[in-house]
Amino acid sequence: EIVLTQSPGTLSLSPGERATLSCRASQSVSSSYLAWYQQKPGQAPRLLIYGASSRATGIPDRFSGSGSGTDFTLTISRLEPEDFAVYYCQQYGSSPPWTFGQGTKLEIK
Amino acid sequence: EVQLVESGGGLVQPGGSLRLSCAASGFTFSSYSMNWVRQAPGKGLEWVSYISSSSSTIYYADSVKGRFTISRDNAKNSLYLQMNSLRDEDTAVYYCARDGYYYDSSGYHSKAFDIWGQGTMVTVSS
Repeated sequence: EIVLTQSPGTLSLSPGERATLSCRASQSVSSSYLAWYQQKPGQAPRLLIYGASSRATGIPDRFSGSGSGTDFTLTISRLEPEDFAVYYCQQYGSSPPWTFGQGTKLEIK
Repeated sequence: EVQLVESGGGLVQPGGSLRLSCAASGFTFSSYSMNWVRQAPGKGLEWVSYISSSSSTIYYADSVKGRFTISRDNAKNSLYLQMNSLRDEDTAVYYCARDGYYYDSSGYHSKAFDIWGQGTMVTVSS
């Protein structure tokens, strides 16, 4: 089973600032099958990034993903008020189980 | 509008059973693999089960193997999760999620879980 470790656990920033979230895998993620999701309180997760760097439909271009192998990053270039939420990474490679990181809470400073 | 709507959650005693449903609309349900994902109160996301578009391939997380059964009815655009021998630790919001995909010159590629339902709460307690 691939274990995903996200850091930091909590990130405190102000609107307009740049956010950098990290996701590290215990072994290489095949074909860069790494996704990022955003979840707000009381809502379902929403897909932001798939294939490590491809934005999902309707996702603003301030969200970008990068990385390969075992190290991946989600960057939000200029934080908007609606971006404060919990973010999860997920690996969805060829074999289950498809695992999620423990989440990074992005909070307003 | 592409939509997934879960139902069937509720309060059940330990050892009991529950059947969750997920109704799909706005897309060709029979063309997509589907998943169940759960989230315990205040915790992170946990993948539970997967079923391919034709039901030929099914996977379970070790935590539910032998107790939960995933199934689908493509004629009814519906996904199901039969949960037996429920335990306290099964308490969670259960989401159904579509396995997105696309094709390019190099073939099939997954787009992860691109559509999610709003979730249904399952509480296991005496």
